[in-house]
Amino acid sequence: DAGVIQSPRHEVTEMGQEVTLRCKPISGHDYLFWYRQTMMRGLELLIYFNNNVPIDDSGMPEDRFSAKMPNASFSTLKIQPSEPRDSAVYFCASSLGTAPLYGYTFGSGTRLTVV
Amino acid sequence: KNQVEQSPQSLIILEGKNCTLQCNYTVSPFSNLRWYKQDTGRGPVSLTIMTFSENTKSNGRYTATLDADTKQSSLHITASQLSDSASYICVVVEYGNKLVFGAGTILRVKS
Repeated sequence: DAGVIQSPRHEVTEMGQEVTLRCKPISGHDYLFWYRQTMMRGLELLIYFNNNVPIDDSGMPEDRFSAKMPNASFSTLKIQPSEPRDSAVYFCASSLGTAPLYGYTFGSGTRLTVV
Repeated sequence: KNQVEQSPQSLIILEGKNCTLQCNYTVSPFSNLRWYKQDTGRGPVSLTIMTFSENTKSNGRYTATLDADTKQSSLHITASQLSDSASYICVVVEYGNKLVFGAGTILRVKS
């Protein structure tokens, strides 16, 4: 199993541009999570899906952020328009169920820099 | 507000030495507590997961303890190696599966 796959690994974009981050969860996992990590705030949950359906998007900072999961093997996080304060590492994670004994598997992250 | 506080913020130790990282939390009700290791440029990787009824759990040279009464957990690393240099994150899971993350402890192991 290749684990959770995120792309791109690094993204540098100009303020105002649209950015799309991609995630392929582990096959068979029914939960998918998007996190953002900064030095100041640590890891923050943005949104999570269960069986491709968004369950909780209360962590999405504002309307500029949107996430979709069109099928069980693919999800996107889009920022439009991007701003310098969006610069962070964005992680995708997936899990099988939410029972206590199941951990999350994180991807390697996308480092986003908005200049 | 449910919080998870970790100490120290950073730590430098010599290779071969032991160390203990601390995690205090106020999350309630509490489902389980997890320790993650995050290498630079990588995503967090699970080390241990403990439910409220478990007091200790080991994973190789890593041993996590939990005192649910005092709401404290620790991660003990034995015979440290250079590859242990990483950020260690304590995560407390509320019922309803909301994860509350600590800010992490940055460990550096020197030769």
